[in-house]
Amino acid sequence: EDQVTQSPEALRLQEGESSSLNCSYTVSGLRGLFWYRQDPGKGPEFLFTLYSAGEEKEKERLKATLTKKESFLHITAPKPEDSATYLCAVQAPPSGSARQLTFGSGTQLTVLP
Amino acid sequence: GAVVSQHPSRVICKSGTSVKIECRSLDFQATTMFWYRQFPKKSLMLMATSNEGSKATYEQGVEKDKFLINHASLTLSTLTVTSAHPEDSSFYICSASWVNTEAFFGQGTRLTVV
Repeated sequence: EDQVTQSPEALRLQEGESSSLNCSYTVSGLRGLFWYRQDPGKGPEFLFTLYSAGEEKEKERLKATLTKKESFLHITAPKPEDSATYLCAVQAPPSGSARQLTFGSGTQLTVLP
Repeated sequence: GAVVSQHPSRVICKSGTSVKIECRSLDFQATTMFWYRQFPKKSLMLMATSNEGSKATYEQGVEKDKFLINHASLTLSTLTVTSAHPEDSSFYICSASWVNTEAFFGQGTRLTVV
């Protein structure tokens, strides 16, 4: 059974204080690892897809990396508007099927001004 | 990214009544739509997978007679919560995708059953 574990559950940072969020996964044949941002009362907003170990992607202050067992979401010099819950998900079915995802429980990030 | 519109964003209904939630892909044709349920401070739990023109596939433990899913076109899927009870109160989210693309999510629907 596919499993996704995110840590920490909650993280409080001062504005400008860089840190990393972790996503550990167990899946038989990773097809894709996804990062989403979710604001309270909203649906998840797509951030990144990573497909193979060693792959990295960046967007503004966020950088996602992938190894064979885990993914990191690095946040550089965060701002209060980066406060949100960050969700990690892995794709379960074989390729050729639409993206059925297994989600982790998320990391709730709070950036204090 | 692609736009998925979910409606309504909030709904309050009386116990025993039914509620319909719509999920529309606005700028692409979604071969598959997914319905999730999310409890406070918890992750998304997949309820069912809906393919256009065929019956939905429900996850274990999800009552198909309570949560009716229809995916009649490539741009619209609906979730109907039948005979709703307070324990059905939750945040429901849909997502849409087509083959080998990212899943894009709707804004979510907060259902409160009183």
